[in-house]
Amino acid sequence: EVQMLQSGGGFVQPGGSRRLSCVVSGFSVSEYDMSWVRQAPGKGLEWVTSFRGLEDGADFADSVKGRFTISRDTSKNTVYLQMNSLRAEDTAVYHCAKPLYTIYDGVSRGAFDFWGQGTGVIVSS
Amino acid sequence: DIVMTQSPLSLPVTPGEPASISCRSSQSLLHSNGFNSVDWYLQKPGQPPQLLIYLGSYRASGVSDRFSGSGSGTDYTLKISRVEAEDVGVYYCMQALQTPLTFGGGTKVEIK
Repeated sequence: EVQMLQSGGGFVQPGGSRRLSCVVSGFSVSEYDMSWVRQAPGKGLEWVTSFRGLEDGADFADSVKGRFTISRDTSKNTVYLQMNSLRAEDTAVYHCAKPLYTIYDGVSRGAFDFWGQGTGVIVSS
Repeated sequence: DIVMTQSPLSLPVTPGEPASISCRSSQSLLHSNGFNSVDWYLQKPGQPPQLLIYLGSYRASGVSDRFSGSGSGTDYTLKISRVEAEDVGVYYCMQALQTPLTFGGGTKVEIK
């Protein structure tokens, strides 16, 4: 059974940092291009970042490029989102998301079939 | 970036009646692998999104067969054959052809 448990959200001052965690079970984070998607209050969904598994890199939305990083610890089967230089506009609920296909399938980096419950980050002074 | 434009913004529906949501992309979503890289999600209040349709027309595991996806190129449609009360929420299309992955603005489905 797939489970994805998120933690790390909370209040942070502008310019501050926060690290979100997504602990998963039921699959290996090394086999999927795990992603983060956020939703600002009252707004729609916004993709933040995804691993590029086979290339061992990652892609980022322009709005977070240079400030956010994604990483994983395969020994803990956990994906992280490190958020630095936070701004008020980063205030959102952040979800980790698992794609349906593995990095070996080469079919789609989307089709997010499992999502974390979401963790809120509020950037405010 | 690929822009995804959904319509309508709001969709009041009558239980038992069909419903349809449109999504238009700013460029073709046909991948070189032959699949259309568009997904549909439903987000119910207080919950994360749930995958309904992937690759344009494939129903996700556990999703009712009342839901179907169709389309090609730049035009895609999500259809609900007979709306039920549990179908209320916000529906999003998303393109996964290239990063940045982008979502439509959402369609709020509510019962009349």
